[in-house]
Amino acid sequence: ELKVEQNPLFLSMQEGKNYTIYCNYSTTSDRLYWYRQDPGKSLESLFVLLSNGAVKQEGRLMASLDTKARLSTLHITAAVHDLSATYFCAVDSTGGNNRLAFGKGNQVVVIP
Amino acid sequence: NAGVTQTPKFQVLKTGQSMTLQCAQDMNHEYMSWYRQDPGMGLRLIHYSVGAGITDQGEVPNGYNVSRSTTEDFPLRLLSAAPSQTSVYFCASRTGRNQPQHFGDGTRLSIL
Repeated sequence: ELKVEQNPLFLSMQEGKNYTIYCNYSTTSDRLYWYRQDPGKSLESLFVLLSNGAVKQEGRLMASLDTKARLSTLHITAAVHDLSATYFCAVDSTGGNNRLAFGKGNQVVVIP
Repeated sequence: NAGVTQTPKFQVLKTGQSMTLQCAQDMNHEYMSWYRQDPGMGLRLIHYSVGAGITDQGEVPNGYNVSRSTTEDFPLRLLSAAPSQTSVYFCASRTGRNQPQHFGDGTRLSIL
């Protein structure tokens, strides 16, 4: 069974500093997705990572995927308050199905 | 451009009642899924579908039924509501593997 673990579950960030959050998964996969969720809202797609070594960047966020280590990182550069949210990673299971496993999320609070 | 539409947005049920959560998408996506989100648990997959007439169980299927008679609609049925089914339910769709999911706004369900 595919398991996805995110660390840390809660992170308080100071504005202007850099941080990294982590997503580990238990079985072979080369498809990983990052989502953002604001309180009381739905999930919004941030990044799609489809191969070993994939790197995607959008603004202050950069995501990468190491399929050999079964690890994805989400790096936040010069944190700002607007990045306060919960970030979820999700991994596709192998096989031709639609079975996506989510982690428990990284709750990020950026403090001025 | 409606995307994924879930109805109702809020619902209160009594234990033992049944109901159907509606999900419709207008993007001609083959893949659709139902998740529940509970505090500290991330998103857990209830049922999923890879096309009309094809459904399968996810991680937490007990107490729920689904059907997929058309590409557009993927209703979730609670057969006999229990307090443990109090949750926020999200429906999602995507064109296929390698693509991110598009999420509906969610249904907040309370069972007394």
